[in-house]
This record gives sequence, C-alpha cells and structure tokens, in this order.
Amino acid sequence: NAGVTQTPKFRVLKTGQSMTLLCAQDMNHEYMYWYRQDPGMGLRLIHYSVGEGTTAKGEVPDGYNVSRLKKQNFLLGLESAAPSQTSVYFCASRRTGGDYNEQFFGPGTRLTVL
Amino acid sequence: RKEVEQDPGPFNVPEGATVAFNCTYSNSASQSFFWYRQDCRKEPKLLMSVYSSGNEDGRFTAQLNRASQYISLLIRDSKLSDSATYLCVVNRRGSNYQLIWGAGTKLIIKP
Repeated sequence: NAGVTQTPKFRVLKTGQSMTLLCAQDMNHEYMYWYRQDPGMGLRLIHYSVGEGTTAKGEVPDGYNVSRLKKQNFLLGLESAAPSQTSVYFCASRRTGGDYNEQFFGPGTRLTVL
Repeated sequence: RKEVEQDPGPFNVPEGATVAFNCTYSNSASQSFFWYRQDCRKEPKLLMSVYSSGNEDGRFTAQLNRASQYISLLIRDSKLSDSATYLCVVNRRGSNYQLIWGAGTKLIIKP
C-alpha cells in the first residue's frame, strides 16, 4: 500500500496563478483533510471531507476550494495564489468510528508564491 | 490564548537522559488526545494516543490531567533517533474527527 500520496512535492507560483494539489489514499478511508503548516504554528485545517461527494470548511478556508469526487482522492485548489499562501500543505486521511483513530499523512507539498 | 499550547523548545538533552514536556489545552470538553512526532521536513506520524488513565509504550509514557487541562509526554533512556518535534493534538469541541494541533516542542538528543 502506498498510503497517502501527494502531488506535486514542490511548486513555485506567481501571484495570481492557479493550481491544484492532488491527494490520493489507498486505505479506503472515509475522512480526508487538507492542512497547512507555517513556522511557529500548529497544523491548521483548511477543508475536510467525511465522505465521497461531501466537503466542509475548516478554520482557514479562504482562498481555497476542494473537491472529493472519488473516495480515494481529495483535491485542493488555489484559484488566485497570494504570497500569504506560501506554506507546506499536508493531506491526511483516517477511517471512521472511534475517538482514537490515527490520521495518516502524505509527505507534503511545499508551495512558494512569489 | 491558543487552544493548544506547547513550549517550543528546543530541549537539548544528553543521550540516555529522561525528558518530559507538557502541553496545555483550553477546551475542557476535549475527549481525544494524542502525541504526534514530526521529523524535520517530514509529515507528522502518530506516536501515541493518550488515555484517561495514562499509558505507556516502551520508553514513552503519556499522562492526562483533566483537572488542570494538560497532557504530558515522558521519554526515558532517550536515543539520538528521538530527536524530532513532538506535536500535542486534541479534538475540536463537538467533533471527534477534527483536531487542533499544537505548534510542537523541538527535542534534540546530543551524544
């Protein structure tokens, strides 16, 4: 099993450009998440999904959109990138049920917006 | 006040020593608690869940103090490979699948 994979691993954008980050998991997990991690701060939830076809906003959703058309994929879109979106983006997934279920993370995407 | 607070460190500890760090949380209704480990420029990985009665996994011991709203992590006989950032995580109020992440405590084990 590959677990959780993310593409691309690195990207440099100019202000105003758009891009899509792809997350894929092969563990048949229902829940998927997109986080951003900035220096000196904890992971912050951007959007999440509790199942195929459903998405919801996290704590920092502005400037991002998501889609979960297939259970195994969760896409994060930046329509018009801004320098404030320079960050490391992590995707995670977990199975349903129980309070102590582990979130499994992808290796991250390092995004720089100039 | 941050919902989950940790001492950022770094904690510089000689190999073989015991080290402990705490994390405080603000939501008294939190039910799920975790320690994750994150190596430099890598993704977080679950180290251990924290149960009400406390729990141990090899050299690692986690404790929960609900009255004072903190959790702790104790590492005995520290190894060079324990060098990492340790992230304290609790569930968001009213949700068992959304988590709130501390900024992490950096641990450096010196030979």
